[in-house]
Amino acid sequence: NAGVTQTPKFQVLKTGQSMTLQCAQDMNHNSMYWYRQDPGMGLRLIYYSASEGTTDKGEVPNGYNVSRLNKREFSLRLESAAPSQTSVYFCASRRGYSGNTIYFGEGSWLTVV
Amino acid sequence: SQQGEEDPQALSIQEGENATMNCSYKTSINNLQWYRQNSGRGLVHLILIRSNEREKHSGRLRVTLDTSKKSSSLLITASRAADTASYFCATDPQETSGSRLTFGEGTQLTVNP
Repeated sequence: NAGVTQTPKFQVLKTGQSMTLQCAQDMNHNSMYWYRQDPGMGLRLIYYSASEGTTDKGEVPNGYNVSRLNKREFSLRLESAAPSQTSVYFCASRRGYSGNTIYFGEGSWLTVV
Repeated sequence: SQQGEEDPQALSIQEGENATMNCSYKTSINNLQWYRQNSGRGLVHLILIRSNEREKHSGRLRVTLDTSKKSSSLLITASRAADTASYFCATDPQETSGSRLTFGEGTQLTVNP
């Protein structure tokens, strides 16, 4: 089991460019998440997907879009990157909903210049 | 704003001492979880406590939950240098569908050898 795999690990973008962060999990989990973590800060929820075919906004959705492509994959897209989106992005998943452990990927370091 | 807020923001202790971190939250919850993050890595689950539990143990970890005060504490006994990491609490609010897990800003623990 690879767990939660996200790509790319590092990316530098110019302001205004677009990119997609990919995430896949092989644990047959229903729920998937995208968080961002700024230096010295906690995680803020961008979007989540409670099941295949559904997505919901989290705390900081502006500037992002997501796609739950199938049960395994949940992608995060930045349509027009801004320096304020420089951050570390974490994908996560868990079985079912409340009360279950959430499993994280290793993070994607994104710098927007 | 963050559902969970950890206190203190940073804690530095000597190996062998106990470390206590606190978490406060705002809304009613189904459960509360504690996670650990080593520098530059994803978060790893430590322990979960349900809203009807008051205390839980796992190895050197002891978690308490006071729902009347909307607070939790994580105690690490006999700390080791390898415990150096950031520790986050995460909550599943009752009023959501149960999918939305939100994190606090974390406590940075440094254990000096």
